[in-house]
Amino acid sequence: AIQLTQSPSSLSASVGDRVTITCRASQGIYSALAWYQQKPGKSPKLLIFSASTLESGVPSRFRGSGSGTDFTLTITSLQPEDFGTYFCQQFSDYPITFGQGTRLEIK
Amino acid sequence: EVQLVQSGAEVKKPGESLKISCEGSGYSFSDFWIGWVRQMPGKGLEWMGIIYPGDSNTRINPSFEGQVTMSVDASINTAYLRWSSLKASDTAIYYCARRLRHCGGDCYDPWGQGTLVTVSS
Repeated sequence: AIQLTQSPSSLSASVGDRVTITCRASQGIYSALAWYQQKPGKSPKLLIFSASTLESGVPSRFRGSGSGTDFTLTITSLQPEDFGTYFCQQFSDYPITFGQGTRLEIK
Repeated sequence: EVQLVQSGAEVKKPGESLKISCEGSGYSFSDFWIGWVRQMPGKGLEWMGIIYPGDSNTRINPSFEGQVTMSVDASINTAYLRWSSLKASDTAIYYCARRLRHCGGDCYDPWGQGTLVTVSS
């Protein structure tokens, strides 16, 4: 199975900061990567698919980039409601796999 | 509004059977794959598999093969996840989610609210 490694595992940032989360795949997955946000006690929500395409209704401050094995989720100007855990997920091959998550705390 | 509503929390003993459900509304249920994802306490997300309500075609993660059964009743827009003999290690939140068409692969939205399954003697 393709392994996804996210970094950092957790981070704390202030409102207005630019935040970057990375996701590295154990083998090339083209652009078959999605990003999800999960708030405590809630179900995940899709933010970005195909590495860089913003899902409808998701604020434009969320940006995805990368292809092959290295991917990045950037929040350009952090807002208070952006706290939660972020997961990457590959859909290049079965079984579908997720990164271990990055917990984002607002200072 | 497209939504998936899952059945309520369950508390079971080891060895018991269980079937949880996921009802879709607001879209043509038969036309979209439904995925199941496990989240163990305080842990990440694990993809269990997917089922197509149109013909019950199923793809299971080898890690879950033989552990669970996926099924669907398209006449009532409902997908199911079943265990025949639960173990304590099955304690987790289980999510169903609709596989999107427009992402070119297995990405999921929306997700159900999750069903907490607790297995304890």
